[in-house]
Amino acid sequence: DAGVIQSPRHEVTEMGQEVTLRCKPISGHDYLFWYRQTMMRGLELLIYFNNNVPIDDSGMPEDRFSAKMPNASFSTLKIQPSEPRDSAVYFCASSPTGGLLLGYTFGSGTRLTVV
Amino acid sequence: LAKTTQPISMDSYEGQEVNITCSHNNIATNDYITWYQQFPSQGPRFIIQGYKTKVTNEVASLFIPADRKSSTLSLPRVSLSDTAVYYCLVVRMDSSYKLIFGSGTRLLVRP
Repeated sequence: DAGVIQSPRHEVTEMGQEVTLRCKPISGHDYLFWYRQTMMRGLELLIYFNNNVPIDDSGMPEDRFSAKMPNASFSTLKIQPSEPRDSAVYFCASSPTGGLLLGYTFGSGTRLTVV
Repeated sequence: LAKTTQPISMDSYEGQEVNITCSHNNIATNDYITWYQQFPSQGPRFIIQGYKTKVTNEVASLFIPADRKSSTLSLPRVSLSDTAVYYCLVVRMDSSYKLIFGSGTRLLVRP
């Protein structure tokens, strides 16, 4: 099992550009989560999906952020336009039903720098 | 969800036992206590979860007293590679299915 795969690992972009982060969850996991981590705010849950359907997007900071899950094996988090304050590490995680007790599996993250 | 409070940081030396205590005074009946570990430049990793008394696995032990208002994560004989941030989370078995992370405890293991 390759685990949760995120790409790219690092992204540097200029303010105003569109950024797309990608995630491949573990096969068979029906929950997918996007988190953002910064020194100031720690780990924040942005959005999560169940069976490809967005369930709770209350953590998405503003309309510049959007997330999709077109199928069970792929999800994207898009920022358009990007701003320097979006600089953070973005983690994707997946879990099976029961994952609250079994644990989520996190990817290695995408470190985004907006200059 | 019950708010958790844990020390911001702890220092230890290789070979020592480390105990990290987390308080969760407002824990509810259907809440579980879960701990995650995060190494630098990696995502958090689930290490242990419990409801009451003691749970042990190959990584750690979790002690939960009868009133469940606190819990203690015990790491036996730590090594340098145990340097990480440890998060205590209260997980509610309801429909929201969310893990909410606090600030965690930054453990530094010295040679």
